[in-house]
Amino acid sequence: DGGITQSPKYLFRKEGQNVTLSCEQNLNHDAMYWYRQDPGQGLRLIYYSQIVNDFQKGDIAEGYSVSREKKESFPLTVTSAQKNPTAFYLCASSSHRSLEYGYTFGSGTRLTVV
Amino acid sequence: GESVGLHLPTLSVQEGDNSIINCAYSNSASDYFIWYKQESGKGPQFIIDIRSNMDKRQGQRVTVLLNKTVKHLSLQIAATQPGDSAVYFCADRPSGGYNKLIFGAGTRLAVHP
Repeated sequence: DGGITQSPKYLFRKEGQNVTLSCEQNLNHDAMYWYRQDPGQGLRLIYYSQIVNDFQKGDIAEGYSVSREKKESFPLTVTSAQKNPTAFYLCASSSHRSLEYGYTFGSGTRLTVV
Repeated sequence: GESVGLHLPTLSVQEGDNSIINCAYSNSASDYFIWYKQESGKGPQFIIDIRSNMDKRQGQRVTVLLNKTVKHLSLQIAATQPGDSAVYFCADRPSGGYNKLIFGAGTRLAVHP
């Protein structure tokens, strides 16, 4: 079955530590996205990538970094510069050729600072 | 829609009633609209979509209405069930170029027995 997989489901980070969230898709989608969701709030765009080796900042990119070395993978690193990283992180993908069904979302990673 | 950092509004309904969730979007050039359902601790899932050349589209127990004149989108859920309890997001795609969706803030639907 095609889909988008995020790992881990839960992640704990110590103060001052960088952590990387994994996002892999086997849908052959061109574009991938990272969103942050705080409790009781909507989705805020962190970074997005339209094609391999290219990505753009979203609305809240500070303290985050990404890479897109492969079409299937779009990992997100939460750096120590992100002062309030505790949140639910969602990865999504979409095809340039067709927007039917919009974005496909992963099941999310819940990051907690300890 | 425009995603803002506000707490989600809540719509409370009785089981069996019809629910109507509303959404406003800002870009009059948007050509595609979509509704997502997000259950607690999970990623959003596709419910139904509609293109700008349509006013109404029906799915199983759900109907989406599009009013381009006032830039308004609504999701109607018939005979609401406890399993419909979730957060519902609308999204629109500004036409031309890259297909990036703009998400609304979301509405929490609470279904009471």
